[in-house]
Amino acid sequence: DIQMTQSPSTLSASVGDRVTITCRASQSVSDWLAWYQQKPGKAPNLLIYKASTLESGVPSRFSGSGSGTEFTLTISSLQPDDFATYYCQQYKSYSTFGQGTKLEIK
Amino acid sequence: QVQLQESGPGLVKPSETLSLTCTVSGGSIRTYFWSWIRQSAGQGLEWLGQIYPGGSANYNPSLKGRVTMSVDTSKNQIYLKLSSVTAADTAIYYCAREQQLLLGDWGQGTLVSVSS
Repeated sequence: DIQMTQSPSTLSASVGDRVTITCRASQSVSDWLAWYQQKPGKAPNLLIYKASTLESGVPSRFSGSGSGTEFTLTISSLQPDDFATYYCQQYKSYSTFGQGTKLEIK
Repeated sequence: QVQLQESGPGLVKPSETLSLTCTVSGGSIRTYFWSWIRQSAGQGLEWLGQIYPGGSANYNPSLKGRVTMSVDTSKNQIYLKLSSVTAADTAIYYCAREQQLLLGDWGQGTLVSVSS
């Protein structure tokens, strides 16, 4: 099965910062890569799919890039509502998730 | 807007079968794929499998044949059974509506603990 590895595990940042989270796949997933945001006590929420396509209603400060085995999620200017945990998901071969990146307030 | 609600026992004994129900409102389950996902502190998010009403199901091979999914279209419900549970199966279990394994609509999740 395809393993997904995110880095960093925890990221401390301030409102207004630009942040990037990386996700690496153990083998190529082409662009079958999604990103989710999860807040405490809630289910994950789909942000980006096909590596770079924003889900409807997701603010444009979120962007995704990459293909093959390396992907990034970038938030261009952090807002208070963005502090959460982010997961990548490959859906090329069944589905597997990264272990998550917790974005916390510095 | 479709809404999903998981339900079932919050406590299951080791070696027994975990059974959960996902009730869907606001739309028919007939025309979508549905997935079960769980989240535990140790394993993070784990996709368990998917089912299409009237069609086949696909399961995560890592579960080694312990998982079964089914539907009842008359009740608009999706079911999950996980057999021979151990403490490692303790998790929050979610159902979700999916398109090509993209999980767009989720239930709120239900916590299942495995303990004697």
